[in-house]
Amino acid sequence: DIVMTQSPDSLAVSLGERATINCKSSQSVLYSSNNKNYLAWYQQKPGQPPKLLIYWASTRESGVPDRFSGSGSGTDFTLTISSLQAEDVAVYYCHQYYTTEITFGQGTRLEIK
Amino acid sequence: EVQLVESGGGLVQPGGSLRLSCAASGFTFSSYWMHWVRQAPGKGLVWVSRINSDGSSTSYADSVRGRFTISRDNAKNTVYLQMNSLRAEDTAVYYCARVRDSGWNPLGHWGQGTLVTVSS
Repeated sequence: DIVMTQSPDSLAVSLGERATINCKSSQSVLYSSNNKNYLAWYQQKPGQPPKLLIYWASTRESGVPDRFSGSGSGTDFTLTISSLQAEDVAVYYCHQYYTTEITFGQGTRLEIK
Repeated sequence: EVQLVESGGGLVQPGGSLRLSCAASGFTFSSYWMHWVRQAPGKGLVWVSRINSDGSSTSYADSVRGRFTISRDNAKNTVYLQMNSLRAEDTAVYYCARVRDSGWNPLGHWGQGTLVTVSS
């Protein structure tokens, strides 16, 4: 299985400041035939199911604010929130769908400083 | 609007069985792969199982292989997870999820989840 490792485990950022979450996969999730990275990011708030934010490593899901962006390729990826809002407090997960046995990172808890 | 509604969770003793159901609506169910993902209390997301669109192919996490069985009834727009030989470590909220788009895609739609508690 592909192991997804996120850093940091938790993060406190001031309102309006940038938040950056990293995700590293144990093997590449870049499919060479279509040059797509099979990497997604989710946001999960307490008592709710996860919400898809980003897929193909950098494509924002419809309705997701443009302060959320994804970058990276191969094994190293980043989720950036450009200007943190109060409603962004949540746990964020990266997810690889390169293999049939999909896997998730352990999660990063984002709080307001 | 895509809707996924799980049911069948509850309290079960170790060694017991449960069958979870996920009723889908708002899309052509038979066109999409479906997954089950679980989340133990206060923990992260763990993939459990998936089934392809016509039910001919399934896959399982090592932790549940041989104990859990995923299936679907495309006539009833429902996916199931039969869970046998349950253990305390199977205690979790179980989410049903649909891939975002047909083909190889991330999980784009999730149900609200159903809680399974394995305890004596």
